[in-house]
Amino acid sequence: AQTVTQSQPEMSVQEAETVTLSCTYDTSENNYYLFWYKQPPSRQMILVIRQEAYKQQNATENRFSVNFQKAAKSFSLKISDSQLGDTAMYFCALNDMRFGAGTRLTVKP
Amino acid sequence: GAVVSQHPSRVICKSGTSVKIECRSLDFQATTMFWYRQFPKQSLMLMATSNEGSKATYEQGVEKDKFLINHASLTLSTLTVTSAHPEDSSFYICSASVRARTDTQYFGPGTRLTVL
Repeated sequence: AQTVTQSQPEMSVQEAETVTLSCTYDTSENNYYLFWYKQPPSRQMILVIRQEAYKQQNATENRFSVNFQKAAKSFSLKISDSQLGDTAMYFCALNDMRFGAGTRLTVKP
Repeated sequence: GAVVSQHPSRVICKSGTSVKIECRSLDFQATTMFWYRQFPKQSLMLMATSNEGSKATYEQGVEKDKFLINHASLTLSTLTVTSAHPEDSSFYICSASVRARTDTQYFGPGTRLTVL
């Protein structure tokens, strides 16, 4: 069975600081894709970052980067220079559309 | 960027009636579309995967006769909730991808369904 686990229901960070959201997963596939999606209060799901499992290099998108540890099946998201607009639910997902329970991130001014 | 629309954004209906939700990819052709259900303060739960021109694949536990999915074209998929009951009240979200499940999903804004 393929599972995605986010063990941090809620997190908060001060504006301009860095925060890391955790995600672990389990899959029997050798080649797969991992995603982080953001769901702000508007509830519109937005892709934050995407990682292909066969690539060793960690994906980066501006202030967002991942720490992908394939052997440990870990896929954490680091948000640098946090902004108020980063306040949202963050979901980790496997390419079979299996989503984690989500982490509610609040950026405080 | 790729845009996916959903219509309606909100719908209220009486118990026993049917409701149709449309999902459209506006600026790309979507080979695959997905339908999710999201309960308050919970994650997205995949209901079914639809490929253009073929029958939808439903996840375990999802009643295919109750949640009818049609993917008649590369830009349109519909979800019909038949004989709706109050427990069907939820937030329904669709997403679309150009190629396959491994491709990036582009999400619609969601539809809030309330069954009285």
